[in-house]
Amino acid sequence: GDSVTQMEGPVTLSEEAFLTINCTYTATGYPSLFWYVQYPGEGLQLLLKATKADDKGSNKGFEATYRKETTSFHLEKGSVQVSDSAVYFCALIKGAQKLVFGQGTRLTINP
Amino acid sequence: SAVISQKPSRDICQRGTSLTIQCQVDSQVTMMFWYRQQPGQSLTLIATANQGSEATYESGFVIDKFPISRPNLTFSTLTVSNMSPEDSSIYLCSVGQGANQPQHFGDGTRLSIL
Repeated sequence: GDSVTQMEGPVTLSEEAFLTINCTYTATGYPSLFWYVQYPGEGLQLLLKATKADDKGSNKGFEATYRKETTSFHLEKGSVQVSDSAVYFCALIKGAQKLVFGQGTRLTINP
Repeated sequence: SAVISQKPSRDICQRGTSLTIQCQVDSQVTMMFWYRQQPGQSLTLIATANQGSEATYESGFVIDKFPISRPNLTFSTLTVSNMSPEDSSIYLCSVGQGANQPQHFGDGTRLSIL
């Protein structure tokens, strides 16, 4: 079945560092890909999305490009802030099927 | 996107009791879902709440333990029945926006069982 694999966490960085969180997927057909963020004590918020190959999703300084050739959707940000500390989930969906999540990556940014 | 309100936001319950969680959406939606997030884990789909018919449960989840109602296109409830400490989790509802579109989530209900 379809699956999503994220890089192992937790990840700890200093403020203004460059961030990459790796995400790869296994799916037949053409899924849509998403990154969700969960801040402490809150629900999930959609961070960005991409619905077809080579699409780049972006929001709040975060970016991710849908790479079909490598089945990847890595999340990047050029300069992280303390307020970016959260858990990040990569996810996919195909058609009207269920949302498939990765295991989540906890990110901590130190001042 | 839809605004989703969940109640209660958190609760502490005694084992053996039941709790009903409400999910209200500010617009009519076809697809509503219920998820469980155990401590430090990712989200697991419990069931799809279908308006006008019984919910569709995922493997490992049964109606007797997690009965779901969906009386209209803006509201759903999830009941966690006969609770045990293993049921301590965050329960989240979400709504679908159509094929290949993301789901949007409520803030969740943080449930602790003593």
